[in-house]
Amino acid sequence: SAVISQKPSRDICQRGTSLTIQCQVDSQVTMMFWYRQQPGQSLTLIATANQGSEATYESGFVIDKFPISRPNLTFSTLTVSNMSPEDSSIYLCSVRGRLTDTQYFGPGTRLTVL
Amino acid sequence: SQQGEEDPQALSIQEGENATMNCSYKTSINNLQWYRQNSGRGLVHLILIRSNEREKHSGRLRVTLDTSKKSSSLLITASRAADTASYFCATDASQGGSEKLVFGKGTKLTVNP
Repeated sequence: SAVISQKPSRDICQRGTSLTIQCQVDSQVTMMFWYRQQPGQSLTLIATANQGSEATYESGFVIDKFPISRPNLTFSTLTVSNMSPEDSSIYLCSVRGRLTDTQYFGPGTRLTVL
Repeated sequence: SQQGEEDPQALSIQEGENATMNCSYKTSINNLQWYRQNSGRGLVHLILIRSNEREKHSGRLRVTLDTSKKSSSLLITASRAADTASYFCATDASQGGSEKLVFGKGTKLTVNP
């Protein structure tokens, strides 16, 4: 299995500001995934982050709004830029385990935008 | 669009009863994974079932997969109050090594003591 930590666990932010969420994995992984879960909803994939290349964004998500860094094989950051109340969600980092198809999730970052 | 659709959306049962949740999907898959989420926290992985498997067990959990009907079910036997959570199915239909999962809307299970 993979152990994933995220920082911060929660935050309350003002409209128009930006927040950077960190994701740390206990083993080297090729791909890291960022998901969003809006209140009462399911998870939606924002982007896939590969080390050494630009992230691949899903339809409806753009790099200017959700810039992602992937400096090495165990770490990634997601920034939520120019936030509005509609960005209030749980943001989750995910990786696939080594030698397995199982995908593991971090504890999530609960973001509230006022 | 969402690949998986769970039903029911909400389920309320008494402790000791069995809970069955269903998931339907639209395209061919490599595998299907079930997750539990307690009160908006992180997701806990429960079971992965591959497209060539029909049934898997893990403790009180039983998962079936019917690829001809593009559906899966999660059965929790002898439920406990601690099983109260939201349950999601997620399908891996990735091609070319993308490893993406697509999640269903989830079933909110309440187990009453």
